Amino acid sequence: GAVVSQHPSRVICKSGTSVKIECRSLDFQATTMFWYRQFPKQSLMLMATSNEGSKATYEQGVEKDKFLINHASLTLSTLTVTSAHPEDSSFYICSAWGQNTEAFFGQGTRLTVV
Amino acid sequence: GIQVEQSPPDLILQEGANSTLRCNFSDSVNNLQWFHQNPWGQLINLFYIPSGTKQNGRLSATTAATERYSLLYISSSQTTDSGVYFCAVKGGGSEKLVFGKGTKLTVNP
Repeated sequence: GAVVSQHPSRVICKSGTSVKIECRSLDFQATTMFWYRQFPKQSLMLMATSNEGSKATYEQGVEKDKFLINHASLTLSTLTVTSAHPEDSSFYICSAWGQNTEAFFGQGTRLTVV
Repeated sequence: GIQVEQSPPDLILQEGANSTLRCNFSDSVNNLQWFHQNPWGQLINLFYIPSGTKQNGRLSATTAATERYSLLYISSSQTTDSGVYFCAVKGGGSEKLVFGKGTKLTVNP
């Protein structure tokens, strides 16, 4: 199956700072990647669709100015949480379509804002 | 958009028991996947099964696309099977993968 790598796996930052999370497709090209957020004991909620070479598409209720997405190449999408606050603490996970539209996910990033 | 319902929400088994997890969806799908989320949060792909039946070791899955449901079977469960099992679908004209709320499985020794 396709491999999606996400980095870092865990990050702690101070309130008001920004954090960048990287999502890479290692053995295939991904024109589209997806960013999800998961709160404890809940399901995954789609935040945005990242499109290579164009603007991301955000789901309703997701602040595009807080969650900046850049998909500058066919193998890399980044999510930057700007001016992070404790309520932004969560598990963030990215995915990309492999062959046959099967989705593969990165390892996830656990963000803690203190 | 498409709705996904999983049942049961929680399941507790003794090691060695069998179980069936269900996923109902509200519209036609062109992608249905089952995942196991491990304690570290990573989603492990179990099955890509928009229709038909597949088996992989102690796990098998079947999707009845017309009836709009999928079943995940776990036989001879082991403690390492514990975790949350998610069903996710793409369909109804959307390009997005939509997740159910998951089934939390606990296998006791």
